[in-house]
Amino acid sequence: SQQGEEDPQALSIQEGENATMNCSYKTSINNLQWYRQNSGRGLVHLILIRSNEREKHSGRLRVTLDTSKKSSSLLITASRAADTASYFCATDAIGTGANNLFFGTGTRLTVIP
Amino acid sequence: DGGITQSPKYLFRKEGQNVTLSCEQNLNHDAMYWYRQDPGQGLRLIYYSQIVNDFQKGDIAEGYSVSREKKESFPLTVTSAQKNPTAFYLCASSIQGRGDTQYFGPGTRLTVL
Repeated sequence: SQQGEEDPQALSIQEGENATMNCSYKTSINNLQWYRQNSGRGLVHLILIRSNEREKHSGRLRVTLDTSKKSSSLLITASRAADTASYFCATDAIGTGANNLFFGTGTRLTVIP
Repeated sequence: DGGITQSPKYLFRKEGQNVTLSCEQNLNHDAMYWYRQDPGQGLRLIYYSQIVNDFQKGDIAEGYSVSREKKESFPLTVTSAQKNPTAFYLCASSIQGRGDTQYFGPGTRLTVL
């Protein structure tokens, strides 16, 4: 399967702390994206990082990409209770012949007020 | 408002019945997707369509059917051949497919009674 895997599966932190979640994937990629899903809702796109980029920032989000290790990390700084959600990575895999993204299994983040 | 809508939000089906889930977008996107999400799981691709009157099977197409007669609409039918249809169904669209950012609807929760 091309599906990525997030680590950890679940993460619980205090408000104000930083949250880091990781994504590993199996094949070469064109880009990697992170999405957020609140319970019972659709996914919302957070950030896209291309294979030739190593780091990208958006507000309190910082994403890194290491193509040699086939891994990415998402850092949320100064977390808030409203950040409580599941976070998914999705890859645009090269050479699969598919025209879709491959989603990981998600990290469930709980931010305790 | 531009966006992607799904209806109904909740759907109950008796065993042996076919049901159709609606997905409409006014984003002028060419590509549309259907995913299935089971509790605590990632997204699995059912079908996707890159252009009107064309669609491809995803990883778990058995027991499902789709049509793409209009650019704006991509309905999913869950047939009686789908043995375990209880799940959360998400529709998404993207500008052209091929690794583009995907925009998701709010989802439909299907329960088989």
